[in-house]
Amino acid sequence: NAGVTQTPKFRILKIGQSMTLQCTQDMNHNYMYWYRQDPGMGLKLIYYSVGAGITDKGEVPNGYNVSRSTTEDFPLRLELAAPSQTSVYFCASRRTLTSGAKNIQYFGAGTRLSVL
Amino acid sequence: DAKTTQPPSMDCAEGRAANLPCNHSTISGNEYVYWYRQIHSQGPQYIIHGLKNNETNEMASLIITEDRKSSTLILPHATLRDTAVYYCITNTGNQFYFGTGTSLTVIP
Repeated sequence: NAGVTQTPKFRILKIGQSMTLQCTQDMNHNYMYWYRQDPGMGLKLIYYSVGAGITDKGEVPNGYNVSRSTTEDFPLRLELAAPSQTSVYFCASRRTLTSGAKNIQYFGAGTRLSVL
Repeated sequence: DAKTTQPPSMDCAEGRAANLPCNHSTISGNEYVYWYRQIHSQGPQYIIHGLKNNETNEMASLIITEDRKSSTLILPHATLRDTAVYYCITNTGNQFYFGTGTSLTVIP
């Protein structure tokens, strides 16, 4: 099983450039998430989606945009890259819960982004 | 969701039990406690979760105090491959809040 796939694995951007980080999952999960992780820190939620066509802001959404046109894909867009966006980006997904149990998120391998 | 507090780092001898504490004193009645770990900047990996009873699976055991204000993750026989950052999270809804976790180093 592929699980959660992120592309690219590495990218270097110049200040002001734009790019899209791709995330695809093949587990038919309704929920998808984008996190960023700065060196030595925990993960911070950027955006999440509870299903196709529905997205919501997390803790640190500024400078990013998302869309969710299909269940499988949840791309993250950086419009005007800034050095503060240098980070490792993780995408995750989970299934819809019928109770509070087993709220397990499955993570991709990450995209390492440097903005210079 | 309740905030969690964990020690920033711990060491454990290989083959010994690693006991990782977590404080979640403001946890509400329907919040579960989840543990994830992150090995060397890979994506976090689910370990175990619980509500109020102790839990055990093939990876670890989770001990939750009776008042649910704290919990301990136990890796019964730590190996070098268990060196990682361990995150304790409480959650009821759509979002997970990852703190800085505990960096566990297993020493040969």
